[in-house]
Amino acid sequence: GQSLEQPSEVTAVEGAIVQINCTYQTSGFYGLSWYQQHDGGAPTFLSYNALDGLEETGRFSSFLSRSDSYGYLLLQELQMKDSASYFCAVRARTDSGGYQKVTFGIGTKLQVIP
Amino acid sequence: KAGVTQTPRYLIKTRGQQVTLSCSPISGHRSVSWYQQTPGQGLQFLFEYFSETQRNKGNFPGRFSGRQFSNSRSEMNVSTLELGDSALYLCASSLATSGGNNEQFFGPGTRLTVL
Repeated sequence: GQSLEQPSEVTAVEGAIVQINCTYQTSGFYGLSWYQQHDGGAPTFLSYNALDGLEETGRFSSFLSRSDSYGYLLLQELQMKDSASYFCAVRARTDSGGYQKVTFGIGTKLQVIP
Repeated sequence: KAGVTQTPRYLIKTRGQQVTLSCSPISGHRSVSWYQQTPGQGLQFLFEYFSETQRNKGNFPGRFSGRQFSNSRSEMNVSTLELGDSALYLCASSLATSGGNNEQFFGPGTRLTVL
C-alpha cells in the first residue's frame, strides 16, 4: 500500500516563507505532485517532481528527495490569498496490472495572517 | 476548452436510498478518477476508469460502483446510502499518458448529504 504524511495545519505571516513537508511510503514510485484547494473550491495542480531536486514556478517551489521518500512545497512572499489546503500526492505503480495510481495526503491547511 | 463538469452540484438523500453522480471530463481526456472528500480525511480514492475499464479501485465497500462510457463520461453510484457517505465527491480527469506529470483536473464536486 501507500501512505503519506503531512502536517495538518500551518500558520504563517503575510510576506514570509513557509515550507510544507510530505513524507511517503510506497513502492513503484513515479513522482510527487502538489495541489492547492481553497475552501469551497476544487483542487488545482501546482507542481510535479519526478526527479530529485527543486522545481520553481513563480513564488512556489517543490522539492523531492527520492532516497529519503520526502518532498516539500515552499511558498515565498506569502499572500493572504495563499490561505488554502495543500495536498501532496504520490503517483506510483499499482500492485497489479502495471497501471499508475495517485494517492493523496490528508492535506495541510495553511493560514496566512497579517 | 471546457473544464470538468459534475452534476448535480448538490444532493440530499435519506439513508437506504441510492444515488448516481455524473462527470464529464475535459475533451480528449480518457482517464476519470473519483474521490471522496470529508473533513479530516483528505481525498480518498474511489476508483479510476480509462477507456471504459476500471483500472484502479480504492478501499471502499461494494456499495460504491462506477462506470465509464465510450465518450469518456463517467458515473458513480452509491447504493444503500449511509450517514457516513455524506461528503464531497470529486471527479478528476487526466490525459493519463505514460510520461509527463499526469496532472489531474478536478471538477467542482457534488456535495452529497445523507439524512
